[in-house]
Amino acid sequence: GAGVSQSPSNKVTEKGKDVELRCDPISGHTALYWYRQSLGQGLEFLIYFQGNSAPDKSGLPSDRFSAERTGGSVSTLTIQRTQQEDSAVYLCASSLSFAWQGLQNTEAFFGQGTRLTVV
Amino acid sequence: QQPVQSPQAVILREGEDAVINCSSSKALYSVHWYRQKHGEAPVFLMILLKGGEQKGHEKISASFNEKKQQSSLYLTASQLSYSGTYFCGTEEHQGGKLIFGQGTELSVKP
Repeated sequence: GAGVSQSPSNKVTEKGKDVELRCDPISGHTALYWYRQSLGQGLEFLIYFQGNSAPDKSGLPSDRFSAERTGGSVSTLTIQRTQQEDSAVYLCASSLSFAWQGLQNTEAFFGQGTRLTVV
Repeated sequence: QQPVQSPQAVILREGEDAVINCSSSKALYSVHWYRQKHGEAPVFLMILLKGGEQKGHEKISASFNEKKQQSSLYLTASQLSYSGTYFCGTEEHQGGKLIFGQGTELSVKP
């Protein structure tokens, strides 16, 4: 696609319910990131997928959070048993990979995010 | 490890200059700079690689001191359109994950 697409753009859910957030990266981009941005805060790293390598899950805040990337393309971030503190904007970004494609100057392209509100 | 940005916020008048700093306790491969306007996604400004260079983008430029693991973003003759939150992102090695600082909020007033 033309850019990184995220869905839904907004999600309101009840505390304790599970939610799935979707990210469709730019075609051909091997690297995919998930970040969380709470109101007025910075970009908190959650997880990083790089080609066929095992994902770097070091930023996931708890075992309620998980993510997968199917076929090296679309990614889904799942939050189980949502809590009010999970309310935030979840941003996905993709980029060409430095290491895999021997490139030196690439950038991460961000989607518009999913605003999650847990009530 | 998250890089540290300073200052946290800065207010400028149009035409004034500003410097935003980013430092890391880790050896870095690259530093990225992004700008996020309110309610929008972050947008890439520039990237500086280990062994490089100072880069420029109109009146916005940046430097990377790899000995000190520090980068600075220079905004000269600021315009109203420069307002937003600036983030530095760092990679510790080629192909590594991109970790962002906490951001610097820049407000340019007429």
